[in-house]
Amino acid sequence: GAGVSQTPSNKVTEKGKYVELRCDPISGHTALYWYRQSLGQGPEFLIYFQGTGAADDSGLPNDRFFAVRPEGSVSTLKIQRTERGDSAVYLCASSPATGDLYGYTFGSGTRLTVV
Amino acid sequence: GNSVTQMEGPVTLSEEAFLTINCTYTATGYPSLFWYVQYPGEGLQLLLKATKADDKGSNKGFEATYRKETTSFHLEKGSVQVSDSAVYFCALSESSASKIIFGSGTRLSIRP
Repeated sequence: GAGVSQTPSNKVTEKGKYVELRCDPISGHTALYWYRQSLGQGPEFLIYFQGTGAADDSGLPNDRFFAVRPEGSVSTLKIQRTERGDSAVYLCASSPATGDLYGYTFGSGTRLTVV
Repeated sequence: GNSVTQMEGPVTLSEEAFLTINCTYTATGYPSLFWYVQYPGEGLQLLLKATKADDKGSNKGFEATYRKETTSFHLEKGSVQVSDSAVYFCALSESSASKIIFGSGTRLSIRP
């Protein structure tokens, strides 16, 4: 596609439930990134993929968070046993190659609300 | 660790006013520096960048100069427009890394 697509755009879930957030990067972009943006804050890095493998997952806050990219394209961020503190906008970005920071393109995000 | 500190908002200016949004950084090496902008209802977009000391990034009338001696990367524009109303994020990345570290953002509102 023309840009980075994230679905759903909004997700409301109950505390304790499991959610999946999807990111469809720009075609041909090998690097994919997940960030979390809380209200009034800048985006915080969660994880990045080079191809199918997670090259850096140092930003994942705890083991309830997991992400996959099985075919090196679409990625899914999975959150188990959601908590109210997980409420935020989850942003995905892709770039043509690792380290190509100037080619970074962000999606519009998924707004997750845990009630 | 690496971090970015930027001017708290909101900042409200009249059209054609001069804009400065301050940004300072802490980094162990020689990072690349960025300004990103988030217009209402849109995704984050790269506004400008600088990769080494004394570089000046510029785009859409905005400028920022990489000042290593003061560890700063202040954003400036000589004459703002209503269409510049947005949230602006200062950011950095170490040369060997792929992740970007963002400041907390500054909301800018321009009055006609």
